[in-house]
Amino acid sequence: QVQLVQSGAEVKKPGASVKVSCKASGYTFSNYGISWVRQAPRQGLEWMGWISGYNGKTNYAQKVQDRVTMTTDTSTNTAYMELRSLKSDDTAMYYCARDGYFPGTDFDIWGQGTMVTVSS
Amino acid sequence: EIVLTQSPEFQSVTPKEKVSITCRASQSIGTSLHWYQQKPDQSPKLLIKYASQSFSGVPSRFSGTGSGTDFTLTINSLEAEDAATYYCHQSGSLPQSFGQGTKLEIK
Repeated sequence: QVQLVQSGAEVKKPGASVKVSCKASGYTFSNYGISWVRQAPRQGLEWMGWISGYNGKTNYAQKVQDRVTMTTDTSTNTAYMELRSLKSDDTAMYYCARDGYFPGTDFDIWGQGTMVTVSS
Repeated sequence: EIVLTQSPEFQSVTPKEKVSITCRASQSIGTSLHWYQQKPDQSPKLLIKYASQSFSGVPSRFSGTGSGTDFTLTINSLEAEDAATYYCHQSGSLPQSFGQGTKLEIK
């Protein structure tokens, strides 16, 4: 079945980096993109950016664009999101979601989420 | 950046009631507006795409209308399992954005 499976929870210190993976299966990875969405505890959803599953082209939200890098490995149908210089307010559940070939469609498939905790 | 404003932010309703949640966009987005349901400790689930298209497997009591800047999610004959937070999401303009959410409590 079509699914996105994310890597496990992470605990990081302020200033460190985290890299979250999202492995796709059940569909042709290169026909879609992946968006990353985060949700701070008891808060709403925040779009972080999009990456093409075809050519790795990216589009980042301004709020994180200086600290985030999204990549893909088409040999394993896996998308990655790396966030650097972590701060306490980066503590959140991070989701990957299937987006369109071009950025900007509905998110029909979501990963299970990866909890990232930033604490000294 | 397009801001989505949902109302109400919280609603307490009884089973079998009809519920409407609205989402207003700060500028026109055509029909590039989608609705999700999120239950505690779960990932969001797509309910309605492109303002009015039901997603596969979603119960028929969920429906969506609207275009331009004003959109509505309607739940007919509410069931206990519909207790959740509902989000709208616009994909018509980058950066994509979400509404702040509407929490639905079932009495």
